[in-house]
Amino acid sequence: NAGVTQTPKFRVLKTGQSMTLLCAQDMNHEYMYWYRQDPGMGLRLIHYSVGEGTTAKGEVPDGYNVSRLKKQNFLLGLESAAPSQTSVYFCASSGTSGRVGELFFGEGSRLTVL
Amino acid sequence: AQSVAQPEDQVNVAEGNPLTVKCTYSVSGNPYLFWYVQYPNRGLQFLLKYITGDNLVKGSYGFEAEFNKSQTSFHLKKPSALVSDSALYFCAVRDMKGGYNKLIFGAGTRLAVHP
Repeated sequence: NAGVTQTPKFRVLKTGQSMTLLCAQDMNHEYMYWYRQDPGMGLRLIHYSVGEGTTAKGEVPDGYNVSRLKKQNFLLGLESAAPSQTSVYFCASSGTSGRVGELFFGEGSRLTVL
Repeated sequence: AQSVAQPEDQVNVAEGNPLTVKCTYSVSGNPYLFWYVQYPNRGLQFLLKYITGDNLVKGSYGFEAEFNKSQTSFHLKKPSALVSDSALYFCAVRDMKGGYNKLIFGAGTRLAVHP
């Protein structure tokens, strides 16, 4: 029972490089989210998706792009990485009925931008 | 805008003693409130939630939380702390801005339970 899987788990980039974080969920959830976690700031929502083919901005979307081409996958892209994007990134998913508001999280992807 | 505040960066408790982790909220309308726990190098896990009904909500691992509308608080509690409860705890509120379900998290409180 995999739940939410993120790849890669660790990555080091140089300023200006690009990369993509992949999130996959096997729970048939409609909603998917990307958060970043920074010390003393908790989790901040970057982008989210309410269904295949849809995306929307969260609290801190600048410098990131996302795509949801398949229901089970949610990709987070950094086109030109900056040191301020050094963080731990978490993907989460949730259903639209029943367990309202309960998010299922992946184990995180630690990104360092030099 | 919806928000939650966790006034304590860290809470220290002796094993066997009761613990409280504080959370206050600011919302328009009826609040949907949540507690999540994060163990080292792991993702967040759902503990409990308040949507409506009884002000005392019971959740996983013996945790409970008390919703207090007049004080706009949703404190997490446990009668007897375990060393294994040591983790980072997040309070969250549901934000329906734009018509879709999102969670807004507090900054987190680190709970340290000492033997």
